Amino acid sequence: DTGVSQDPRHKITKRGQNVTFRCDPISEHNRLYWYRQTLGQGPEFLTYFQNEAQLEKSRLLSDRFSAERPKGSFSTLEIQRTEQGDSAMYLCASSSPGQLIGYTFGSGTRLTVV
Amino acid sequence: DQQVKQNSPSLSVQEGRISILNCDYTNSMFDYFLWYKKYPAEGPTFLISISSIKDKNEDGRFTVFLNKSAKHLSLHIVPSQPGDSAVYFCAATTSGTYKYIFGTGTRLKVLA
Repeated sequence: DTGVSQDPRHKITKRGQNVTFRCDPISEHNRLYWYRQTLGQGPEFLTYFQNEAQLEKSRLLSDRFSAERPKGSFSTLEIQRTEQGDSAMYLCASSSPGQLIGYTFGSGTRLTVV
Repeated sequence: DQQVKQNSPSLSVQEGRISILNCDYTNSMFDYFLWYKKYPAEGPTFLISISSIKDKNEDGRFTVFLNKSAKHLSLHIVPSQPGDSAVYFCAATTSGTYKYIFGTGTRLKVLA
């Protein structure tokens, strides 16, 4: 069990550029979640997958954001035409089929848009 | 609309004493509550949870109390240790939704 892995750990990008983050969940976990955390706030839910199906999306996830989980394994979160307001920590988490409560988070990707 | 509130941004406690972190919620549909701990440069780590059918859950030095009528929960850490210094997030969810609503966190500092 290597935990939830996120790549990159840090990303600095210019406004208007596209960025993509990757999340590798714990291997037997079929549910995968994306959250965003801005300074002074708690994590905010963005979206969640069960296997390869994206089952819920927050209204925070504007048209510039897209998430995928091909084959129900790793997931990617892409932000197009980044804005300074997108600067945040992007957290991925996963949980197993029998796990009712308490998912495991990765260390996050910190995005800075300049 | 902040459905989960942690009104104390920070708390300092002497080593060996009790730390009490508080959390309030507004949504009566929440039926599970969780506490996560977060160290700098790491993701949040699950600490303890409680179902709305209980009023107390204990795990070692950590106890969570739930007062449904007041829509209030608290995390007690006894005895507090310097390694407990971290940001603590309260979260709530409704079973079957898999989405957690987090508070803004309380930074706990345990002084040696």
